[in-house]
Amino acid sequence: KNQVEQSPQSLIILEGKNCTLQCNYTVSPFSNLRWYKQDTGRGPVSLTIMTFSENTKSNGRYTATLDADTKQSSLHITASQLSDSASYICVVNYLSGAGSYQLTFGKGTKLSVIP
Amino acid sequence: SQTIHQWPATLVQPVGSPLSLECTVEGTSNPNLYWYRQAAGRGLQLLFYSVGIGQISSEVPQNLSASRPQDRQFILSSKKLLLSDSGFYLCAWRPDEAGYTFGSGTRLTVV
Repeated sequence: KNQVEQSPQSLIILEGKNCTLQCNYTVSPFSNLRWYKQDTGRGPVSLTIMTFSENTKSNGRYTATLDADTKQSSLHITASQLSDSASYICVVNYLSGAGSYQLTFGKGTKLSVIP
Repeated sequence: SQTIHQWPATLVQPVGSPLSLECTVEGTSNPNLYWYRQAAGRGLQLLFYSVGIGQISSEVPQNLSASRPQDRQFILSSKKLLLSDSGFYLCAWRPDEAGYTFGSGTRLTVV
């Protein structure tokens, strides 16, 4: 079964600190992986997208890594800010048996940055 | 530019009342459109998707229905809401195989 597991489920950190969110997947065959940021009460917004050949990709203070061999991805947030408080969702795109691309969503990690 | 609009942002409806949530896309034609529901502490659940006018596919049996009356319009409906229909509803557009662009969401509370 194609699954995406995210950890931790929730996380509280002090402003200015770094943190790392994890995403493990069993999806195959893998096409790409996206990290989304979802502010409370809003729709998810894409942060990064990574294909099979990419190991690291940065977007400002956000750095995503991908290990396609172990099927793991991480999202590292540097020097956290209060505005980073949100849910972070890992989404894996794969080629289904029917020949179409399908997306599998993780349940997200809820990050709270406190002053 | 390509944008997706979803409304209303919040909605409180009594049990048994009808529902209509609307989603429109601008700046593109023949988009693939999706309705998702996000329950608290759970991931996104795909409800319906549409690849064209009048073409609706339902992913899970439920009290909801969807319609695509125009190329860039996707509507989520119910004739009689249940308490279990409460949740956060997201419309999404898929511009390419890589992923989605989401609407801003509708918080539905059935009382």
